[in-house]
Amino acid sequence: DTEVTQTPKHLVMGMTNKKSLKCEQHMGHRAMYWYKQKAKKPPELMFVYSYEKLSINESVPSRFSPECPNSSLLNLHLHALQPEDSALYLCASSSDYGGWAYFGPGTRLTVL
Amino acid sequence: AQSVTQLGSHVSVSEGALVLLRCNYSSSVPPYLFWYVQYPNQGLQLLLKYTTGATLVKGINGFEAEFKKSETSFHLTKPSAHMSDAAEYFCAVIPFQGAQKLVFGQGTRLTINP
Repeated sequence: DTEVTQTPKHLVMGMTNKKSLKCEQHMGHRAMYWYKQKAKKPPELMFVYSYEKLSINESVPSRFSPECPNSSLLNLHLHALQPEDSALYLCASSSDYGGWAYFGPGTRLTVL
Repeated sequence: AQSVTQLGSHVSVSEGALVLLRCNYSSSVPPYLFWYVQYPNQGLQLLLKYTTGATLVKGINGFEAEFKKSETSFHLTKPSAHMSDAAEYFCAVIPFQGAQKLVFGQGTRLTINP
């Protein structure tokens, strides 16, 4: 099974809402990632978890809070977002170090 | 800093024609190289990868790419374009073994004309 799943597919939220994005993989990968992608741009790395520990935070604002409850799950908690945070949020996973990343289908987030 | 340059933000070819998407990278050590495809409103799908070994790499959907160290290039080709190949293509590099960060090019939008 070479699949990364993400829920929800679409999310609309107000600037005062709290919501969460979920990501799951069952490939035994020990590295998981959150990317943000704006229209017509490449994905931008936000966070990397390696062996369930946060290893890279690309200076992401604190209104984005990642969580890795176990080796298969990755969450992104959202609070007090701004309209400019509207984007496609992609989850990915890879085996240990330097592995190629498998991407999920993404969550299309709209902040009103 | 490592970087990836994709020449041409938009490439248009006729159905049945050769597809050539260009990618050059900067890296002081042999990197891992990838091509991803993104169809509208979808995530990224790995087309092919180069890590070590044979420099001509075959991927899915009839695509292939050749790693040329002397030219620091990893161009993507397909002999005969199909309408279903219309998508955004991203070249990406892991700059060295152990690095956890994919560095992406800006992407090339491929349009197929009937």
